[in-house]
Amino acid sequence: QSVLTQPPSVSAAPGQKVTISCSGSSSNIGNNYVSWYQQLPGTAPKLLIYDNNKRPSGIPDRFSGSKSGTSATLGITGLQTGDEADYYCGTWDSSLSCWVFGGGTKLTVL
Amino acid sequence: QVQLQESGPGLVKPSQTLSLTCTVSGGSISSGDYYWSWIRQPPGKGLEWIGYIYYSGSTYYNPSLKSRVTISVDTSKNQFSLKLSSVTAADTAVYYCAIGGVIAPFAFDIWGQGTMVTVSS
Repeated sequence: QSVLTQPPSVSAAPGQKVTISCSGSSSNIGNNYVSWYQQLPGTAPKLLIYDNNKRPSGIPDRFSGSKSGTSATLGITGLQTGDEADYYCGTWDSSLSCWVFGGGTKLTVL
Repeated sequence: QVQLQESGPGLVKPSQTLSLTCTVSGGSISSGDYYWSWIRQPPGKGLEWIGYIYYSGSTYYNPSLKSRVTISVDTSKNQFSLKLSSVTAADTAVYYCAIGGVIAPFAFDIWGQGTMVTVSS
């Protein structure tokens, strides 16, 4: 049982938009920055979004992040088959004194 | 561009100590306000943070693993290491080393490719 809650899976057609939610509490998302990671099949995770909504250099603006209260959302527009991957949210939990991740969401581009 | 590479035994016997090393290339482990991290992923499951060592030498561990974990840095070899004692089958996972704070103060910017460790007799 993960501290951060993500839907197990989402799907959408190529070219469409999808959002992935990440729900937490005041001890984690509510008071700390959220980051998002993309894990393509058989590869290591890759930083996609940091500080709730910032993109590292090289990450297309099709990927966006937002945070409201104790929830965060990853948005992906113009879906491509190459976006099929597992997506994880993560943040520091001040009560647990521990970095926590969501359980991951598998994105399928139909 | 800093790169990370994990190394260590792929098979560890139950009750023994798992030891992994992460070699840093393209940069010095002594520079920057970074935190040198270990994260693992059991087969078919999600990510679990193990802990990190801050540039100052301070260590922070996952409370659920704290009694068994040691993370250390060897600046002479530009490496940092993980030791996990008294392993069981539940410790079977892909182990990743990662750096936090390179571009994002509160995220894991750079990851190694990961190394699979199986705990079995």
